[in-house]
Amino acid sequence: AQTVTQSQPEMSVQEAETVTLSCTYDTSESDYYLFWYKQPPSRQMILVIRQEAYKQQNATENRFSVNFQKAAKSFSLKISDSQLGDAAMYFCAYRNVRGSTLGRLYFGRGTQLTVWP
Amino acid sequence: ETGVTQSPTHLIKTRGQQVTLRCSSQSGHNTVSWYQQALGQGPQFIFQYYREEENGRGNFPPRFSGLQFPNYSSELNVNALELDDSALYLCASSLGTNKNEQFFGPGTRLTVL
Repeated sequence: AQTVTQSQPEMSVQEAETVTLSCTYDTSESDYYLFWYKQPPSRQMILVIRQEAYKQQNATENRFSVNFQKAAKSFSLKISDSQLGDAAMYFCAYRNVRGSTLGRLYFGRGTQLTVWP
Repeated sequence: ETGVTQSPTHLIKTRGQQVTLRCSSQSGHNTVSWYQQALGQGPQFIFQYYREEENGRGNFPPRFSGLQFPNYSSELNVNALELDDSALYLCASSLGTNKNEQFFGPGTRLTVL
């Protein structure tokens, strides 16, 4: 079964600084998707960024970028120029692209990000 | 375009009771997935419905059941509630079961006393 591990329960960053959240995963598949979701206190899960495993280029969305290391099964999220609104719980998630578990997301336990003014 | 909505927002039940949670999918979406998020944990997949049929189930007992209606809205039913069923229940809708993004609703907070 696929597992996703986030080893940092909490992280903090000063406004305008950069922070990196870590994620590792375990799979025997060669093609899959990886995601970072943000869950603010409103509880609604919001997609931050997505990476397709067959793409070697790291995904980027404005201030958010990933460092995808397929061989190491590592998928970290870098937030540049942190803003107060970035404060939330961040979840790393994995999704198969084929097979009986197609379509289901496997989540890590989350990293609570605090942003200090 | 209306997003994913869930009702109720909060719910308190006692052990042994039954509960029904509801989810309205985003316009144009035909797939609904349900997740359970216990306090301090990441969401865990319960099951998925695609065009009114169950299309995959996680490691949850049969007392967790669901339905999807012709308009693609969905219900999650839990019988014989246990204290450990206390959690945030999230539904997510998508177009199809493969590559398309899952859009999440705000969740229903269930407390079992």
